[in-house]
Amino acid sequence: KQEVTQIPAALSVPEGENLVLNCSFTDSAIYNLQWFRQDPGKGLTSLLLIQSSQREQTSGRLNASLDKSSGRSTLYIAASQPGDSATYLCAVRPIVGNTPLVFGKGTRLSVIA
Amino acid sequence: DVKVTQSSRYLVKRTGEKVFLECVQDMDHENMFWYRQDPGLGLRLIYFSYDVKMKEKGDIPEGYSVSREKKERFSLILESASTNQTSMYLCASSLEGVYGYTFGSGTRLTVV
Repeated sequence: KQEVTQIPAALSVPEGENLVLNCSFTDSAIYNLQWFRQDPGKGLTSLLLIQSSQREQTSGRLNASLDKSSGRSTLYIAASQPGDSATYLCAVRPIVGNTPLVFGKGTRLSVIA
Repeated sequence: DVKVTQSSRYLVKRTGEKVFLECVQDMDHENMFWYRQDPGLGLRLIYFSYDVKMKEKGDIPEGYSVSREKKERFSLILESASTNQTSMYLCASSLEGVYGYTFGSGTRLTVV
């Protein structure tokens, strides 16, 4: 059964720092991996979608990488801002059995001004 | 952009009431999903549907049912609401295969 792990569970950094959030998964048979952002009490906003054939995707200050063979993804946030404070979730879409997305439990990020 | 709309942001219901949570998407997605989210437990899949009138149980279907009479609408039904169903409910939709998921803004349900 696919499992997704996110480390660390929480992270606090000063404004301006570059930071990396980690995501690992146990089964490499995936269509894609998706990173989401969630603000308190709100829904999930998709940040980046990486297909299994891709190595990375970029959007503004965000860069996500995917190493399918090792079962790892990282989300790199450059020059962090207080507005980046949120919970970040990664999820993989398994190929086997057309199973729904499998989520990690998220990393809660606080960027301190 | 695909839009997934959940009809209520906040709901307060009494124990034993029948509760309907509505979700509508506007981009002709085949797949629709209901999750609940609780602190420390993450997102848990309740039910999903790959086509009209089809439904599949997720990880925690007990106490819930669903309805999908039209492709764009997926309803979650709490047959007899209980306090342990107090939670954030999230609806999502997607196309088949390599596409990503789009989520609604969530419904915070409180059962008193």
